[in-house]
Amino acid sequence: AQKITQTQPGMFVQEKEAVTLDCTYDTSDPSYGLFWYKQPSSGEMIFLIYQGSYDQQNATEGRYSLNFQKARKSANLVISASQLGDSAMYFCAMRLNTGGFKTIFGAGTRLFVKA
Amino acid sequence: DTEVTQTPKHLVMGMTNKKSLKCEQHMGHRAMYWYKQKAKKPPELMFVYSYEKLSINESVPSRFSPECPNSSLLNLHLHALQPEDSALYLCASSYTGGPDTQYFGPGTRLTVL
Repeated sequence: AQKITQTQPGMFVQEKEAVTLDCTYDTSDPSYGLFWYKQPSSGEMIFLIYQGSYDQQNATEGRYSLNFQKARKSANLVISASQLGDSAMYFCAMRLNTGGFKTIFGAGTRLFVKA
Repeated sequence: DTEVTQTPKHLVMGMTNKKSLKCEQHMGHRAMYWYKQKAKKPPELMFVYSYEKLSINESVPSRFSPECPNSSLLNLHLHALQPEDSALYLCASSYTGGPDTQYFGPGTRLTVL
């Protein structure tokens, strides 16, 4: 079964520290994409970072990096130097090559950044 | 530019009203989506249009009626909604299906009285 698991309902981090949000996935499709989205209280789903299943290097976008461990089926998001504006809900998601137009979302992790 | 726009941002309607949500993208994406999202939950897929044709309807009640007038526009017509339909409605687009990145709009917060 295709599934995304985010085991941390809520996380706290001190401003300027790094934080890791966990994501594990399950699929038998060899071709897939893994995504992280940020959703502030305003509601907009903001695309942060993408990792393809065949990518050899971990994806990075500014302060965001994706720790991709294919054998362990994990795709953790690392946010470096946390800022107050990083406080939001974070969703890990997966789209399969054979999945048509479906996106599989995790339950989300609520991140709180403390001043 | 990876922008998807949605109007209105907020909408309050009665159960007998008819209203429409609008979504627009100019990224040349061929797939457009409507999602419904309840508080503290991930988005739930409602409809997908691919090349302006309805590709997926996730058994959505007929009081929600999607329309794709052209490759850049997506509408969601609302009629005789129920209070439980109150939610955040998100539009998204992607170049195609498969592992292509989806980009989301800012959403419409709908309240049904």
